Amino acid sequence: SQQGEEDPQALSIQEGENATMNCSYKTSINNLQWYRQNSGRGLVHLILIRSNEREKHSGRLRVTLDTSKKSSSLLITASRAADTASYFCATDARGNTPLVFGKGTRLSVIA
Amino acid sequence: DAGITQSPRYKITETGRQVTLMCHQTWSHSYMFWYRQDLGHGLRLIYYSAAADITDKGEVPDGYVVSRSKTENFPLTLESATRSQTSVYFCASSDGNRRKETQYFGPGTRLLVL
Repeated sequence: SQQGEEDPQALSIQEGENATMNCSYKTSINNLQWYRQNSGRGLVHLILIRSNEREKHSGRLRVTLDTSKKSSSLLITASRAADTASYFCATDARGNTPLVFGKGTRLSVIA
Repeated sequence: DAGITQSPRYKITETGRQVTLMCHQTWSHSYMFWYRQDLGHGLRLIYYSAAADITDKGEVPDGYVVSRSKTENFPLTLESATRSQTSVYFCASSDGNRRKETQYFGPGTRLLVL
């Protein structure tokens, strides 16, 4: 399986700090996506980075992709209590396979 | 702007019973997906559908049946529920031209099999 693996599994930080979570995968991809899941809710798409891109920004989110290391990182700057959620990476492998989601990183932002 | 809805939101059933979880989307997206989410396993794909009357197995299809007679609906049936099917089930959809890009998720159905 080329499932993405997030690291760490859980992260606890103070409000205002930056949060970094990582995703590693196994096979070549077309794109990699990050999703957020608030407690008791469905997943929400945050950002997509294509295999030919190295960095992408969206508001307080910064995503990097290193295809040589088969890894991606999601940085949330100046975190807020409302950022408390689980974050999942999803990889789009080449070919006709569906997206595959990782197991997620649980982020807790303490006010 | 209804988006994607799931019903019921909560369901308790007994082992051996048939249960159907409903999913409805208002975007006319071609692709629809069913996932289950369990602690320690993350999100796993059960079945997906590329269009009406076209379905395909995902990672964990055993014990589940799907149908898609209309583009907007994608029901998931547990033919004979087992305790191992206790889980949170999410339906999702995506645009046919961008099927492996953004997926839009429903709020989930929490199923408890006793």
